[in-house]
Amino acid sequence: GAGVSQSPRYKVAKRGQDVALRCDPISGHVSLFWYQQALGQGPEFLTYFQNEAQLDKSGLPSDRFFAERPEGSVSTLKIQRTQQEDSAVYLCASSFKDRANSPLHFGNGTRLTVT
Amino acid sequence: AQSVSQHNHHVILSEAASLELGCNYSYGGTVNLFWYVQYPGQHLQLLLKYFSGDPLVKGIKGFEAEFIKSKFSFNLRKPSVQWSDTAEYFCAVRGDPYSSASKIIFGSGTRLSIRP
Repeated sequence: GAGVSQSPRYKVAKRGQDVALRCDPISGHVSLFWYQQALGQGPEFLTYFQNEAQLDKSGLPSDRFFAERPEGSVSTLKIQRTQQEDSAVYLCASSFKDRANSPLHFGNGTRLTVT
Repeated sequence: AQSVSQHNHHVILSEAASLELGCNYSYGGTVNLFWYVQYPGQHLQLLLKYFSGDPLVKGIKGFEAEFIKSKFSFNLRKPSVQWSDTAEYFCAVRGDPYSSASKIIFGSGTRLSIRP
């Protein structure tokens, strides 16, 4: 496709359920980022991949959060035993190269609501 | 650690008014600076960026920003806003990737509302 695709667009989970959020980056993009955006806030960095290698996961808020990109393309962000504070929009972004002058292309995000 | 501060949470202007949105950052090394825009119902888009050279950078839709190193600032400006500029604006900073600081850190955003 032409842009970064995220699915599902909306997800409602009961507290304690596990969820999996998918990101399809632009084909050929090396770098992939996950961000969490709470209501009224800016995106908060979660984790970063360069190809299949997860180079930075310093932003993951707890060990309930896990991300993978096994073949260096599609990525999945998994949240186990969801809590109400996990409610947010989860954004995925990709860039062609791991260089500061490579612009990030964002997806539309997945809005997660935990009830 | 990097951080970004945006001073205004919500700005309301009339059409044709001039705009300046404040952004200050905290980072000790070489920085790359960005402004992103999110129109209602759309994804984040890059408005403009600064890497090096001329500290006055021009972006899309008539926006510009000035990097003032001594003030650690990167304010966004537009001489005359339009109703279509209604959106959320995010300032962001990225440290030099060769210093293993490849992540982009975003400010909390400024919501801009333009009265027709």
